[in-house]
Amino acid sequence: GQNIDQPTEMTATEGAIVQINCTYQTSGFNGLFWYQQHAGEAPTFLSYNVLDGLEEKGRFSSFLSRSKGYSYLLLKELQMKDSASYLCAVRDSNYQLIWGAGTKLIIKP
Amino acid sequence: DADVTQTPRNRITKTGKRIMLECSQTKGHDRMYWYRQDPGLGLQLIYYSFDVKDINKGEISDGYSVSRQAQAKFSLSLESAIPNQTALYFCATSDSLWDSGELFFGEGSRLTVL
Repeated sequence: GQNIDQPTEMTATEGAIVQINCTYQTSGFNGLFWYQQHAGEAPTFLSYNVLDGLEEKGRFSSFLSRSKGYSYLLLKELQMKDSASYLCAVRDSNYQLIWGAGTKLIIKP
Repeated sequence: DADVTQTPRNRITKTGKRIMLECSQTKGHDRMYWYRQDPGLGLQLIYYSFDVKDINKGEISDGYSVSRQAQAKFSLSLESAIPNQTALYFCATSDSLWDSGELFFGEGSRLTVL
């Protein structure tokens, strides 16, 4: 079966750096996505990786290793507004998105 | 105004009732999707449509039906609601299957079936 694993919850301190991991086993691979979802709100797109390596976008970076079935989202200079759930999703060989359950990130002052 | 609008935002209903959730978008996208989100689970695809004449079942379509009335409108129906359909429902759109294929989500419809 297809599976996306990510930690259920993480806690970090304002101003620090946090890395949220995502491992996947899917039928084929056509890209990996990270979305941010604040409580009670809709998910919003953060990043997309299709080739191995690091994609940087401001305070957020996303890394992909296709051979290891692994990605991480790196958040730098954490702010209180970064408290949210972070969803990892993989697009499989049928171009369907398989979603992880999300990682709830709690930022403490 | 939101680019992807869902109505109603909240609904409480009883078992056996018919419920329709509506979605409209102003992004001009051809592709529209209905997802449900439950605590502790990933988003699950119910139905999707790549154009007005194209409707496809997702991974959890049983108990649901959809209608694509126009490019901008995609409705989800529960013909006879049951309590395990209590969930947060999201409509989403995208303009490309390729490249980033970013999804744009509506604000969600919270449905409670008693």
